[in-house]
Amino acid sequence: EAQVTQNPRYLITVTGKKLTVTCSQNMNHEYMSWYRQDPGLGLRQIYYSMNVEVTDKGDVPEGYKVSRKEKRNFPLILESPSPNQTSLYFCASSGGLAGFNEQFFGPGTRLTVL
Amino acid sequence: AQKVTQAQTEISVVEKEDVTLDCVYETRDTTYYLFWYKQPPSGELVFLIRRNSFDEQNEISGRYSWNFQKSTSSFNFTITASQVVDSAVYFCALSGGMEYGNKLVFGAGTILRVKS
Repeated sequence: EAQVTQNPRYLITVTGKKLTVTCSQNMNHEYMSWYRQDPGLGLRQIYYSMNVEVTDKGDVPEGYKVSRKEKRNFPLILESPSPNQTSLYFCASSGGLAGFNEQFFGPGTRLTVL
Repeated sequence: AQKVTQAQTEISVVEKEDVTLDCVYETRDTTYYLFWYKQPPSGELVFLIRRNSFDEQNEISGRYSWNFQKSTSSFNFTITASQVVDSAVYFCALSGGMEYGNKLVFGAGTILRVKS
Protein backbone atom coordinates (compact mmCIF):
# COMPACT_ATOMS: atom_id res chain seq x y z
CA GLU A 1 0.00 0.00 0.00
CA ALA A 2 1.35 3.42 -0.99
CA GLN A 3 1.76 5.48 2.12
CA VAL A 4 3.67 7.96 4.22
CA THR A 5 4.39 6.77 7.73
CA GLN A 6 5.43 8.79 10.75
CA ASN A 7 6.68 7.73 14.14
CA PRO A 8 5.86 8.26 16.86
CA ARG A 9 2.23 9.26 16.48
CA TYR A 10 2.12 10.83 19.93
CA LEU A 11 4.97 12.16 22.01
CA ILE A 12 5.16 14.02 25.29
CA THR A 13 8.59 15.30 26.20
CA VAL A 14 10.30 17.94 28.29
CA THR A 15 12.08 21.11 27.31
CA GLY A 16 15.57 20.54 25.99
CA LYS A 17 15.41 16.80 25.43
CA LYS A 18 16.43 16.08 21.85
CA LEU A 19 13.96 14.12 19.78
CA THR A 20 13.50 12.82 16.25
CA VAL A 21 10.28 12.25 14.38
CA THR A 22 10.75 9.81 11.56
CA CYS A 23 9.04 9.96 8.19
CA SER A 24 9.18 7.33 5.50
CA GLN A 25 7.44 6.96 2.14
CA ASN A 26 7.27 3.91 -0.10
CA MET A 27 6.31 5.66 -3.34
CA ASN A 28 9.82 6.55 -4.53
CA HIS A 29 8.89 10.21 -4.32
CA GLU A 30 11.55 12.85 -4.85
CA TYR A 31 9.89 15.61 -2.88
CA MET A 32 9.31 15.48 0.86
CA SER A 33 8.25 18.13 3.30
CA TRP A 34 7.39 18.81 6.92
CA TYR A 35 4.50 20.97 8.11
CA ARG A 36 3.24 21.96 11.50
CA GLN A 37 -0.42 22.59 12.23
CA ASP A 38 -1.52 25.08 14.85
CA PRO A 39 -5.04 26.30 15.66
CA GLY A 40 -6.02 29.34 13.64
CA LEU A 41 -2.88 29.13 11.52
CA GLY A 42 -3.50 26.13 9.33
CA LEU A 43 -0.44 24.20 8.24
CA ARG A 44 2.91 25.88 7.74
CA GLN A 45 5.93 24.42 6.01
CA ILE A 46 9.00 23.80 8.17
CA TYR A 47 11.51 22.24 5.76
CA TYR A 48 11.42 20.53 2.43
CA SER A 49 13.65 18.36 0.30
CA MET A 50 13.67 18.06 -3.47
CA ASN A 51 15.97 15.06 -3.51
CA VAL A 52 18.58 13.15 -1.55
CA GLU A 53 21.01 15.52 0.20
CA VAL A 54 18.99 18.55 -0.97
CA THR A 55 17.05 20.32 1.77
CA ASP A 56 15.84 23.86 2.28
CA LYS A 57 13.98 25.98 4.76
CA GLY A 58 10.28 26.56 4.64
CA ASP A 59 8.40 29.30 6.44
CA VAL A 60 9.04 28.27 10.05
CA PRO A 61 12.40 26.44 10.23
CA GLU A 62 13.68 27.86 13.54
CA GLY A 63 14.37 25.16 16.10
CA TYR A 64 14.24 22.30 13.60
CA LYS A 65 16.70 20.28 11.55
CA VAL A 66 16.18 17.73 8.83
CA SER A 67 18.27 15.34 6.80
CA ARG A 68 17.70 13.41 3.59
CA LYS A 69 20.28 10.65 3.34
CA GLU A 70 17.95 8.23 1.60
CA LYS A 71 15.14 8.94 -0.79
CA ARG A 72 12.49 7.29 1.33
CA ASN A 73 13.31 8.89 4.71
CA PHE A 74 13.08 12.47 5.90
CA PRO A 75 13.44 12.73 9.69
CA LEU A 76 12.60 15.89 11.61
CA ILE A 77 14.97 16.67 14.46
CA LEU A 78 14.32 18.94 17.40
CA GLU A 79 17.68 19.44 19.07
CA SER A 80 16.33 21.34 22.07
CA PRO A 81 12.54 21.33 22.05
CA SER A 82 10.65 24.19 23.63
CA PRO A 83 6.97 24.51 24.59
CA ASN A 84 6.24 26.66 21.52
CA GLN A 85 7.02 23.60 19.41
CA THR A 86 4.00 21.83 20.83
CA SER A 87 2.04 21.14 17.69
CA LEU A 88 0.68 18.59 15.25
CA TYR A 89 3.31 17.68 12.68
CA PHE A 90 2.75 16.27 9.22
CA CYS A 91 5.20 14.80 6.79
CA ALA A 92 4.29 14.87 3.11
CA SER A 93 5.71 13.52 -0.12
CA SER A 94 5.10 14.20 -3.78
CA GLY A 95 6.05 12.40 -6.94
CA GLY A 96 7.08 15.54 -8.76
CA LEU A 97 8.58 18.91 -8.09
CA ALA A 98 5.90 20.97 -9.77
CA GLY A 99 3.15 22.62 -7.83
CA PHE A 100 0.36 20.62 -9.37
CA ASN A 101 1.52 17.35 -7.90
CA GLU A 102 -0.64 16.06 -5.12
CA GLN A 103 1.15 15.84 -1.82
CA PHE A 104 0.51 12.72 0.20
CA PHE A 105 0.42 13.31 3.93
CA GLY A 106 1.40 11.05 6.77
CA PRO A 107 -0.99 10.44 9.68
CA GLY A 108 0.50 13.19 11.83
CA THR A 109 2.56 13.30 15.03
CA ARG A 110 1.12 15.11 18.00
CA LEU A 111 3.99 16.54 20.04
CA THR A 112 3.68 18.09 23.47
CA VAL A 113 6.69 19.80 25.01
CA LEU A 114 6.38 20.47 28.74
CA ALA B 1 3.75 36.50 -1.35
CA GLN B 2 1.08 33.90 -1.44
CA LYS B 3 -1.80 33.86 0.98
CA VAL B 4 -5.00 31.92 1.53
CA THR B 5 -7.87 33.25 3.60
CA GLN B 6 -10.69 31.16 4.96
CA ALA B 7 -12.77 33.74 6.75
CA GLN B 8 -15.23 31.26 8.23
CA THR B 9 -13.68 29.84 11.37
CA GLU B 10 -16.57 27.55 12.19
CA ILE B 11 -19.88 26.66 10.56
CA SER B 12 -22.70 24.64 12.07
CA VAL B 13 -25.49 23.20 9.97
CA VAL B 14 -28.22 20.66 10.36
CA GLU B 15 -28.04 17.50 8.34
CA LYS B 16 -29.30 17.81 4.76
CA GLU B 17 -28.59 21.51 4.60
CA ASP B 18 -26.28 22.78 1.87
CA VAL B 19 -23.16 24.56 3.03
CA THR B 20 -20.50 26.61 1.23
CA LEU B 21 -16.99 27.03 2.51
CA ASP B 22 -15.25 30.13 1.28
CA CYS B 23 -11.64 30.40 0.13
CA VAL B 24 -9.94 33.54 -1.13
CA TYR B 25 -6.35 33.47 -2.29
CA GLU B 26 -3.62 35.93 -3.19
CA THR B 27 -0.77 35.33 -5.59
CA ARG B 28 1.14 37.26 -8.22
CA ASP B 29 1.79 34.19 -10.30
CA THR B 30 -0.14 33.42 -13.44
CA THR B 31 0.36 29.69 -12.95
CA TYR B 32 -0.74 28.27 -9.64
CA TYR B 33 -2.69 25.40 -8.18
CA LEU B 34 -5.49 25.27 -5.66
CA PHE B 35 -6.39 22.41 -3.39
CA TRP B 36 -8.95 21.42 -0.82
CA TYR B 37 -8.18 18.99 1.98
CA LYS B 38 -10.44 17.48 4.59
CA GLN B 39 -9.28 16.69 8.12
CA PRO B 40 -11.79 14.45 9.91
CA PRO B 41 -11.72 14.07 13.72
CA SER B 42 -9.23 11.21 13.33
CA GLY B 43 -6.68 13.83 12.24
CA GLU B 44 -5.40 12.68 8.86
CA LEU B 45 -5.47 14.96 5.83
CA VAL B 46 -7.59 13.77 2.94
CA PHE B 47 -7.06 15.24 -0.51
CA LEU B 48 -10.31 16.35 -2.14
CA ILE B 49 -9.51 18.30 -5.28
CA ARG B 50 -6.82 20.08 -7.25
CA ARG B 51 -7.38 22.90 -9.72
CA ASN B 52 -4.88 24.75 -11.89
CA SER B 53 -5.15 28.41 -12.65
CA PHE B 54 -5.97 27.86 -16.29
CA ASP B 55 -9.00 25.72 -15.63
CA GLU B 56 -11.95 27.72 -14.36
CA GLN B 57 -14.47 25.01 -14.97
CA ASN B 58 -16.55 24.17 -11.97
CA GLU B 59 -16.29 20.64 -10.72
CA ILE B 60 -18.87 18.36 -9.21
CA SER B 61 -18.14 15.10 -7.47
CA GLY B 62 -21.17 13.54 -5.87
CA ARG B 63 -22.40 15.90 -3.16
CA TYR B 64 -19.27 18.06 -3.47
CA SER B 65 -18.82 20.91 -5.88
CA TRP B 66 -16.21 23.57 -6.35
CA ASN B 67 -16.52 27.03 -7.84
CA PHE B 68 -13.30 28.61 -9.07
CA GLN B 69 -13.46 32.29 -10.04
CA LYS B 70 -10.21 33.99 -10.99
CA SER B 71 -11.93 37.37 -11.19
CA THR B 72 -12.56 37.29 -7.44
CA SER B 73 -9.60 35.03 -6.55
CA SER B 74 -11.94 32.57 -4.94
CA PHE B 75 -12.19 28.80 -4.85
CA ASN B 76 -15.30 27.96 -2.87
CA PHE B 77 -16.44 24.51 -1.85
CA THR B 78 -20.08 23.50 -1.53
CA ILE B 79 -21.44 20.39 0.14
CA THR B 80 -24.98 19.57 -0.89
CA ALA B 81 -27.29 17.75 1.50
CA SER B 82 -24.68 17.65 4.25
CA GLN B 83 -24.24 14.57 6.40
CA VAL B 84 -22.83 14.05 9.87
CA VAL B 85 -19.81 12.34 8.31
CA ASP B 86 -18.95 15.63 6.63
CA SER B 87 -18.05 17.07 10.03
CA ALA B 88 -14.38 17.94 9.77
CA VAL B 89 -11.91 20.75 9.34
CA TYR B 90 -11.57 21.80 5.73
CA PHE B 91 -8.44 23.44 4.40
CA CYS B 92 -7.97 25.37 1.20
CA ALA B 93 -4.39 25.52 -0.06
CA LEU B 94 -2.37 27.20 -2.80
CA SER B 95 0.78 26.03 -4.54
CA GLY B 96 2.95 28.08 -6.82
CA GLY B 97 5.45 25.51 -7.93
CA MET B 98 9.18 24.97 -7.67
CA GLU B 99 10.21 28.55 -7.01
CA TYR B 100 8.26 28.34 -3.79
CA GLY B 101 9.74 24.98 -2.92
CA ASN B 102 6.59 23.26 -4.06
CA LYS B 103 5.12 24.55 -0.83
CA LEU B 104 1.47 24.36 -0.05
CA VAL B 105 0.21 27.56 1.57
CA PHE B 106 -2.79 26.70 3.70
CA GLY B 107 -5.65 28.75 4.95
CA ALA B 108 -6.48 28.62 8.65
CA GLY B 109 -9.20 26.06 8.02
CA THR B 110 -12.95 26.01 8.52
CA ILE B 111 -14.47 23.73 11.13
CA LEU B 112 -17.71 22.26 9.83
CA ARG B 113 -20.12 20.73 12.30
CA VAL B 114 -23.09 18.86 10.88
CA LYS B 115 -25.74 18.04 13.45
CA SER B 116 -28.29 15.28 13.05
